[in-house]
Amino acid sequence: DAGVTQSPTHLIKTRGQQVTLRCSPKSGHDTVSWYQQALGQGPQFIFQYYEEEERQRGNFPDRFSGHQFPNYSSELNVNALLLGDSALYLCASSLESVGYGSGTEAFFGQGTRLTVV
Amino acid sequence: SQKIEQNSEALNIQEGKTATLTCNYTNYSPAYLQWYRQDPGRGPVFLLLIRENEKEKRKERLKVTFDTTLKQSLFHITASQPADSATYLCALPTGGFKTIFGAGTRLFVKA
Repeated sequence: DAGVTQSPTHLIKTRGQQVTLRCSPKSGHDTVSWYQQALGQGPQFIFQYYEEEERQRGNFPDRFSGHQFPNYSSELNVNALLLGDSALYLCASSLESVGYGSGTEAFFGQGTRLTVV
Repeated sequence: SQKIEQNSEALNIQEGKTATLTCNYTNYSPAYLQWYRQDPGRGPVFLLLIRENEKEKRKERLKVTFDTTLKQSLFHITASQPADSATYLCALPTGGFKTIFGAGTRLFVKA
């Protein structure tokens, strides 16, 4: 089992450009969450996808969008990049559990290090 | 809004001693709390989950406590080893499907 895989591992973009990051969840997992982690900070929740729908979103602008495919893989798109978007972007997959509160362990990928110059 | 606070300063301890990390939260009553380990340049790795009706949880050399009155969780690593050196994050569900993380505490175990 390859676990959660993300691509690319590193990326350098220019301000104003657009970027797409990709995530393949752990085998059997159907839920994908995306996080942004700035240096020295904890991961910040961007959004979560389940059944190809965004079902919850954190405090991120509309420049951040995503998609989940029928095979459960996911993409994170960021438009009009700002210098402040430089961070480690993490994808986490989990298996949809029986309702809120059951406590689902999330498996994280190694992340994509995005640098905006 | 919900907030998690973890020791911002790094924790330096000697090999063999017990490391104790603290996670405090405000404005929320989570059904459970999770602890993750993160090595530099890597994604977090799940360690333990403790539910609101559990006072203590153990896994090998790890022990987690959860005091819902104090709104605090303590994470202990007994007989610490240099390989335990990493950043440890606590995480809470905040309603719906969102999870928030603390900034983490950096642990250094000296041989």
